Amino acid sequence: RKEVEQDPGPFNVPEGATVAFNCTYSNSASQSFFWYRQDCRKEPKLLMSVYSSGNEDGRFTAQLNRASQYISLLIRDSKLSDSATYLCAQGTGGFKTIFGAGTRLFVKA
Amino acid sequence: DTAVSQTPKYLVTQMGNDKSIKCEQNLGHDTMYWYKQDSKKFLKIMFSYNNKELIINETVPNRFSPKSPDKAHLNLHINSLELGDSAVYFCASSRGGGETQYFGPGTRLLVL
Repeated sequence: RKEVEQDPGPFNVPEGATVAFNCTYSNSASQSFFWYRQDCRKEPKLLMSVYSSGNEDGRFTAQLNRASQYISLLIRDSKLSDSATYLCAQGTGGFKTIFGAGTRLFVKA
Repeated sequence: DTAVSQTPKYLVTQMGNDKSIKCEQNLGHDTMYWYKQDSKKFLKIMFSYNNKELIINETVPNRFSPKSPDKAHLNLHINSLELGDSAVYFCASSRGGGETQYFGPGTRLLVL
């Protein structure tokens, strides 16, 4: 089993739709969790950190479920510009962060 | 002002050659990383350094040798390049382990 697993997609959604991604992790001792966004032929960039209490940033909401060992990302009112690959990442408490393979999102007009 | 920069951006070379990629960060971070992203887009950690010290070497072949002359720089030298080394190599930095990482623009390596 991979340490961090994501559905690769692609998710094809119309503008304005709500879309949710999950990411499961196997290391229960993990301390930090993140969602990164990667555009085609670009570097990953932090979208948001994921806290135990969950966090929201505009149209984006991230949740952490330690009991079931997954994190989620909810995007409301999707925009064309949200089309990208979304990578979940797990900090293992040391100097190693493990990335998922990414979920591709296409938002269409 | 670029936070994490890498050179070169593109690298096309023949099998068997030796090449280097340079990385610099101006964020004052203590920790730097090298990642390899293959054609399937899987981002895999290769090395991490903290305060110029090697912390993680993720079973990378000996042909890959990182070097950190100071906290702001982490270079990657690759000997005897192979076809399978073709990938995008990203440098990244963070304040410390497990914290938000800032990535460079990537170096696209193609080995012919």
